[in-house]
Amino acid sequence: QQPVQSPQAVILREGEDAVINCSSSKALYSVHWYRQKHGEAPIFLMILLKGGEQKGHDKISASFNEKKQQSSLYLTASQLSYSGTYFCGTELNYGQNFVFGPGTRLSVLP
Amino acid sequence: GAVVSQHPSRVICKSGTSVKIECRSLDFQATTMFWYRQFPKKSLMLMATSNEGSKATYEQGVEKDKFLINHASLTLSTLTVTSAHPEDSSFYICSGQTGFGSGRYYNEQFFGPGTRLTVL
Repeated sequence: QQPVQSPQAVILREGEDAVINCSSSKALYSVHWYRQKHGEAPIFLMILLKGGEQKGHDKISASFNEKKQQSSLYLTASQLSYSGTYFCGTELNYGQNFVFGPGTRLSVLP
Repeated sequence: GAVVSQHPSRVICKSGTSVKIECRSLDFQATTMFWYRQFPKKSLMLMATSNEGSKATYEQGVEKDKFLINHASLTLSTLTVTSAHPEDSSFYICSGQTGFGSGRYYNEQFFGPGTRLTVL
């Protein structure tokens, strides 16, 4: 079952922050986050495992609330290079039932 | 590290012909490879999952006789679109997964650059 992402699209000015949410009605084993630029392949950002992890690197971080089965991706002080479509992907068990969300289109303007 | 290549990047073929797309993990062994299809401005739809040396597992609604997947080694998987029709035109993307315990990554997928198939 495909996870739900919100918002569908967001427009920011450079330096602003954004939060993208991903939620599932099923108990998740892990949540993956990827970014895809137009015409390119998705690139891996990070994985969060059940247990309520929080991970991050540079100005992009994410959390996973196991009770709510929701993950949030935080982009702080956004840069132009952050523009793209962000997909979350969810697993119900290790290596099983992986499915991408519909994506959130992020546009960072100068 | 963790580079995946796909070949060809673009292919145009006539209706009724077959097209083979190769997916290679260049610097890691992919215990599992995935094949996705993506329509413009849409999410990636998983078509099938393949493990080296075993038959691919197809998602519901994907015709396994039409989309033949072979995972011959830990670094190579191929997708053959047989008897292609215009509705098969799409962006096909593969990914390789290293699997738990590799000592380097956990379960993330590394994507190839994709193959744009146009069937005339």
